[in-house]
Amino acid sequence: DADVTQTPRNRITKTGKRIMLECSQTKGHDRMYWYRQDPGLGLRLIYYSFDVKDINKGEISDGYSVSRQAQAKFSLSLESAIPNQTALYFCATSGVLGSYTDTQYFGPGTRLTVL
Amino acid sequence: GENVEQHPSTLSVQEGDSAVIKCTYSDSASNYFPWYKQELGKRPQLIIDIRSNVGEKKDQRIAVTLNKTAKHFSLHITETQPEDSAVYFCAASIYTPLVFGKGTRLSVIA
Repeated sequence: DADVTQTPRNRITKTGKRIMLECSQTKGHDRMYWYRQDPGLGLRLIYYSFDVKDINKGEISDGYSVSRQAQAKFSLSLESAIPNQTALYFCATSGVLGSYTDTQYFGPGTRLTVL
Repeated sequence: GENVEQHPSTLSVQEGDSAVIKCTYSDSASNYFPWYKQELGKRPQLIIDIRSNVGEKKDQRIAVTLNKTAKHFSLHITETQPEDSAVYFCAASIYTPLVFGKGTRLSVIA
C-alpha cells in the first residue's frame, strides 16, 4: 500500500538522542496507530488517534510521544532514545468517520537502531 | 482489556498439506477478528477477516472459523505452497484498536 508511507525507513542513532518517525496516509482514514514489533512479541500498540484532537496511550507508551498534525499525518517521537527501543516500528491507519470498519492498513515500517 | 493467545509459535508443513493456526481471546464482546500475513522484510497485510455474526468465511485456499462460545478462532490454509511461508498474526477487537497475538511462523517445505 503506497498510500501509507513512513519516513525514515531506516535510522541508526545514539542513546539520548531525540528521534521523530513520521507517517503519512492518503487513504482518507481518520484513525492512525503506531506499533512496535520485536521478535517473538508480535505487534504492540504504542499510541493511537481516532481524529486530529484525539490521542490515546496504548500498551507500551512510556518513553514515546506522538503528534497528530493533520488527518493524514501522525508522528512518533522518542525524546531520549535508549537501546531497548531498538525495534521495527509500524504506522497503521483504519476507518472513515461514521464507519466501524476496523481493517488496519500498515505502512512499510521504520527500522530503528539505538546504539 | 482484551488478551489474544496464538498457537503454535512455529509450524512446519510439507507443501500440499494443510496448516491450522489457532487463537483464543478473552473479551466476549470482541466482534472483529482479522488475520494478517507478514512476509520477511514486509509489512503485515490483511488476508482474511471475520465478524462475530459469522461462523466461517472462505477465500480460495484460506478459511477462518469462529467459535464465540469457546472464544477461539482459527486460520486454515489448504494445499500449502512455498509462498505461504510467512509470519501470521491473529487479532481481535471491538471498535477499538486491534489486539494482536504474538504470531506464528509458518514454513512450507517443498
